[in-house]
Amino acid sequence: QQPVQSPQAVILREGEDAVINCSSSKALYSVHWYRQKHGEAPVFLMILLKGGEQKGHDKISASFNEKKQQSSLYLTASQLSYSGTYFCGTESRDSWGKFQFGAGTQVVVTP
Amino acid sequence: DAGITQSPRHKVTETGTPVTLRCHQTENHRYMYWYRQDPGHGLRLIHYSYGVKDTDKGEVSDGYSVSRSKTEDFLLTLESATSSQTSVYFCAITPGGPSEQYFGPGTRLTVT
Repeated sequence: QQPVQSPQAVILREGEDAVINCSSSKALYSVHWYRQKHGEAPVFLMILLKGGEQKGHDKISASFNEKKQQSSLYLTASQLSYSGTYFCGTESRDSWGKFQFGAGTQVVVTP
Repeated sequence: DAGITQSPRHKVTETGTPVTLRCHQTENHRYMYWYRQDPGHGLRLIHYSYGVKDTDKGEVSDGYSVSRSKTEDFLLTLESATSSQTSVYFCAITPGGPSEQYFGPGTRLTVT
């Protein structure tokens, strides 16, 4: 079963913040976050392995709540370059090496 | 550039014909994956490989087969293409362990 992402889409003005959530019904080993621009391949942003772990990439950060099997991606002080579709990818403890991706969250940042 | 290529990049084929897509890597990574991407579904795993001649099914494997006779090549075959297999296909690689996946540029396949 695919992880569930929310919201499906979000529109931001430059400088605003947003949160994207990813929820799984399975016990997770890792959570990955990727961004995809239109017509391009997904690009890796970050990976989270431990419960509570937070990672950052510029002003994009993420957290992982292992007990709830949830991860959140935080877009802080958004830039035009943040536009794209964000996907979470999950790897469960009983299917190591096998990834499932959420349906994606489309982010549009306007001037 | 993760050294991963896909061929062909675009293909139009007719229902019932066989189709083979190729993924080639220069990184010598152990794990290789085939995904399809359709609107509203994100990326769905078709098959993956954890070594030469070692493959396993993903969540949408029906109608697809794979082969990996060399570390660098992972082939995806549609034995008899159907219109429901019209999609964008991505190959991905990872060295294994908790590490990121690198995606190829994708193949747009249209089955008429």
